[in-house]
Amino acid sequence: DIVMTQSPDSLAVSLGERATINCKSSQSVLFSSNSKNYLSWYQQKSGQPPKLLIYWASTRESGVPDRFSGSGSGTDFTLTISSLQAEDVAVYYCQQYYNTLITFGQGTRLEIK
Amino acid sequence: QVQLQESGPGLVKPSETLSLTCTVSGGSMSNYYWSWIRQPPGKGLEWIGYIYNSGSTYYNPSLKSRVTISVDTSKNHFSLKLSSVTAADTAVYYCARVHGSDYYNPFDYWGQGTLVTVSS
Repeated sequence: DIVMTQSPDSLAVSLGERATINCKSSQSVLFSSNSKNYLSWYQQKSGQPPKLLIYWASTRESGVPDRFSGSGSGTDFTLTISSLQAEDVAVYYCQQYYNTLITFGQGTRLEIK
Repeated sequence: QVQLQESGPGLVKPSETLSLTCTVSGGSMSNYYWSWIRQPPGKGLEWIGYIYNSGSTYYNPSLKSRVTISVDTSKNHFSLKLSSVTAADTAVYYCARVHGSDYYNPFDYWGQGTLVTVSS
């Protein structure tokens, strides 16, 4: 299994400030033949299903605000929210789809300071 | 706009079989992979398995001996059966669509989820 480890487990950021969430995979999720990282990020608000934000590590899903960005390659990835808004309070998950056995990170809870 | 809706009993007795259906509307099931994912209360996400519209399946090895996923494209739905359930199977169960034409893609559409409690 590819183990996905997120840090921190929880994070409190002031409105308008930058929020950064990290995700580390136990093995590389970079497929060399196409240079794609098989890594996505989801946002889950309370009582709702997860929502796809980012895939291929850095491609924003249609309709996702541009304050959300993804970066990284291989085993280390970052989700950045450039200017935190109140509606961004949620739990964020990374997911690898490099392996047929899909795995998710444990989640990072983002709150307003 | 593709929509997914889970349905099934919210309470299952220990040792019995959990059965859920996901109905897909607003789009065709053809040429996509469809998946079940669950989330125990207050915990993270666990992938259960995939099915393609042809009926090909892939299961999480940790659940494989107890899981069956099937599809009925004529009714635009796919189903989950999980046998010999215990309290550890209590979770919100989500159905979801894989984004692209193969399963090496993220999940772009999700159902709202349905809570299944295992209790006598």
